[in-house]
Amino acid sequence: EPEVTQTPSHQVTQMGQEVILRCVPISNHLYFYWYRQILGQKVEFLVSFYNNEISEKSEIFDDQFSVERPDGSNFTLKIRSTKLEDSAMYFCASRERTAGVDEQFFGPGTRLTVL
Amino acid sequence: GENVEQHPSTLSVQEGDSAVIKCTYSDSASNYFPWYKQELGKGPQLIIDIRSNVGEKKDQRIAVTLNKTAKHFSLHITETQPEDSAVYFCAASIRTGANSKLTFGKGITLSVRP
Repeated sequence: EPEVTQTPSHQVTQMGQEVILRCVPISNHLYFYWYRQILGQKVEFLVSFYNNEISEKSEIFDDQFSVERPDGSNFTLKIRSTKLEDSAMYFCASRERTAGVDEQFFGPGTRLTVL
Repeated sequence: GENVEQHPSTLSVQEGDSAVIKCTYSDSASNYFPWYKQELGKGPQLIIDIRSNVGEKKDQRIAVTLNKTAKHFSLHITETQPEDSAVYFCAASIRTGANSKLTFGKGITLSVRP
């Protein structure tokens, strides 16, 4: 069964460093999302991406964040200068573009620890 | 914006019993309500979903009910088994093409005692 994959599974970084979290969505999916979950809190929407541009972003997704689909398979989330409060589990999700299909398929997540 | 609340935060049931998890939402424009199950070390996996034009949906031991007037929806698991033990998230969304962001509840840890 096709699945969303994410790398790395765990990333440790120093405050102020740049990190890139990588996702490979399901191959025929065209909508892509990033969510995050701070320990003990809700899963929160960060950004949605379609047709090579951001469709919607939350207030969390400030200038320090960016997303990119550098090729036909990868979808990345970059945090330019990490802060302690960026420590969280980051989930990538994708959805196909068929009318009436709403399911978002989630990857296993990347645990980001900022020291 | 949308706010989804989920109750209770933990639930423990005896194997074979039923479990009910409830969620409320705030935005009457929300029209899609999925339930996700998350096992340790994995991402959330959809187990059942419901659209606002339907009041109930069933899939084997799992059912979801939706009350649009009261803005709440519930997950019902019958004949629970130890493998049902996991974290369950409810979510709400306004289905509008690319902008179908999910707003999640906080999650509930379900423990099924053998």
